[in-house]
Amino acid sequence: AQTVTQSQPEMSVQEAETVTLSCTYDTSESDYYLFWYKQPPSRQMILVIRQEAYKQQNATENRFSVNFQKAAKSFSLKISDSQLGDAAMYFCAYRGYNTDKLIFGTGTRLQVFP
Amino acid sequence: GAVVSQHPSWVICKSGTSVKIECRSLDFQATTMFWYRQFPKQSLMLMATSNEGSKATYEQGVEKDKFLINHASLTLSTLTVTSAHPEDSSFYICSVKGRSNTEAFFGQGTRLTVV
Repeated sequence: AQTVTQSQPEMSVQEAETVTLSCTYDTSESDYYLFWYKQPPSRQMILVIRQEAYKQQNATENRFSVNFQKAAKSFSLKISDSQLGDAAMYFCAYRGYNTDKLIFGTGTRLQVFP
Repeated sequence: GAVVSQHPSWVICKSGTSVKIECRSLDFQATTMFWYRQFPKQSLMLMATSNEGSKATYEQGVEKDKFLINHASLTLSTLTVTSAHPEDSSFYICSVKGRSNTEAFFGQGTRLTVV
């Protein structure tokens, strides 16, 4: 069975600085998708970034980028130029290529200090 | 991203009563809908997956007679918590996915409090 592990329950960063959130996963599949979701205090889950496993190039969305290491089964999220609005719970998630089911990690609470 | 409307945002009900939560996909056809439960400071736990016109598939440990899921159309799924008890108090979140979508989109969640 696939598992997703986020080893950092909480992280903090100064405004305008850079922070990296860790995520590792375990799977025997070769094709899959990885996601980072943000859950702000409103509790609305928002997709931050998505990575297809068959793509070697790391995904980037504005200030958000990932470091995808397929062999190491690692999928970290880097937030550059952190903003106060980035404060939220961040969940790493895995989805197999032939399934619709998302498997979530336990989340990392990110605090941003002015 | 897609617009997913979940209603109500919060509800308080008496123990023993039933409560229905709606999840609507407003701008695309949701062939698959998911219902999650989230306890405070914890991750999302998948309860069930439903495909339009089919019976829902429940995850292990989720009582299908207690959590009734109906996915009658490509834009609407409902979760009914029957004979609610205080331990059912939680945050319930739906998400939807279209056949051609890679990612799922989430509703804003419903906070259920059973008193």
